[in-house]
Amino acid sequence: AQTVTQSQPEMSVQEAETVTLSCTYDTSENNYYLFWYKQPPSRQMILVIRQEAYKQQNATENRFSVNFQKAAKSFSLKISDSQLGDTAMYFCAVRGGATNKLIFGTGTLLAVQP
Amino acid sequence: EAGVAQSPRYKIIEKRQSVAFWCNPISGHATLYWYQQILGQGPKLLIQFQNNGVVDDSQLPKDRFSAERLKGVDSTLKIQPAKLEDSAVYLCASSLPSLRGDSYEQYFGPGTRLTVT
Repeated sequence: AQTVTQSQPEMSVQEAETVTLSCTYDTSENNYYLFWYKQPPSRQMILVIRQEAYKQQNATENRFSVNFQKAAKSFSLKISDSQLGDTAMYFCAVRGGATNKLIFGTGTLLAVQP
Repeated sequence: EAGVAQSPRYKIIEKRQSVAFWCNPISGHATLYWYQQILGQGPKLLIQFQNNGVVDDSQLPKDRFSAERLKGVDSTLKIQPAKLEDSAVYLCASSLPSLRGDSYEQYFGPGTRLTVT
């Protein structure tokens, strides 16, 4: 079974500052993928960044980057130069196994303050 | 490119009534997913289709929930009869064929918010 744990229900950051969202996971799969999704009030899930477990290099997408610690099963998201539009729920997810289904964490509500 | 379409966006019903949700995936996406997202939780997969065949329905409450994907394109999720605990957002997603080892992105629709009173 695969599980994802997000221990920060809510976080707040000032505009233009940097914030890190935590995520730990558990999986018995050797080949799996990790994702961060953003869900604004519109409810549409938007992919922020993904990481292939077999790659050692941390993924980056513009202001978003991850710190992937495979041995510790940790996958944190760093948002640099936070913007008001980054305010949303952020979900960490793992994908792997025979059916490749996504398993989500419970989410972190991020509020960017002006 | 058009995204995943869902309707309705909102639905309010009384318990024991029936309800249906519709999803139209991105053109060419063979794999379709239905998720249930209860308030304060992450989405949970209910059922996954590959074309018109079911790949995974292990978490679908089959006594009251049913889903079909005729012709491998549009899909309908039905609840009959609804219970109070079915109040949630129902998300549809689609992707290119989901095979073991691939990392094809799932694209999500806007969801349907169901309230059961």
